[in-house]
Amino acid sequence: GESVGLHLPTLSVQEGDNSIINCAYSNSASDYFIWYKQESGKGPQFIIDIRSNMDKRQGQRVTVLLNKTVKHLSLQIAATQPGDSAVYFCAENGDTGNQFYFGTGTSLTVIP
Amino acid sequence: DTGVSQDPRHKITKRGQNVTFRCDPISEHNRLYWYRQTLGQGPEFLTYFQNEAQLEKSRLLSDRFSAERPKGSFSTLEIQRTEQGDSAMYLCASSLQGAWTEAFFGQGTRLTVV
Repeated sequence: GESVGLHLPTLSVQEGDNSIINCAYSNSASDYFIWYKQESGKGPQFIIDIRSNMDKRQGQRVTVLLNKTVKHLSLQIAATQPGDSAVYFCAENGDTGNQFYFGTGTSLTVIP
Repeated sequence: DTGVSQDPRHKITKRGQNVTFRCDPISEHNRLYWYRQTLGQGPEFLTYFQNEAQLEKSRLLSDRFSAERPKGSFSTLEIQRTEQGDSAMYLCASSLQGAWTEAFFGQGTRLTVV
């Protein structure tokens, strides 16, 4: 399978600070990358995606950066809130294009 | 509730028994995916359907696993002769073909094989 990994398994931030979650991917053929959030006991929830022809995409309080040169993806969360506490997964679509390979995940804890 | 629905939420079965899970996708979504997730890991792709056609299966999907989507709406995932290694969360997701990156996941079925 593909290799999608995260640099840090856990991240703790103070409420109101910005969070940055990093991800490394291995397949240069991937043309879609997605970030998902998973809260305890729930299925993953789509946050934002980015195509390989872009290097930055912004959503509501979130920004995804893509660096294809070093095969690196990051998710920035602005003004982190307690409700952002969850496990965050990056995923890439690999060679086939129609499925996603997920990384192990980073657990984000927001300290009030 | 108009989200993806999975049934049952939890299933405990004895090794060697067969189990079947059901997924009801969001009604207008023509793509349906099955994933498996073990504790501390990201979801692993198993298979996906576009309408009633099963278009792709993972190498993880052994002969004991079979999935169907007979009318292009709900889907079932059956595991025959369950093994302890099958214990996991089985997740279903659906999406529109034109917005396939934005898949909506159900809450999953937690399978425990004893």
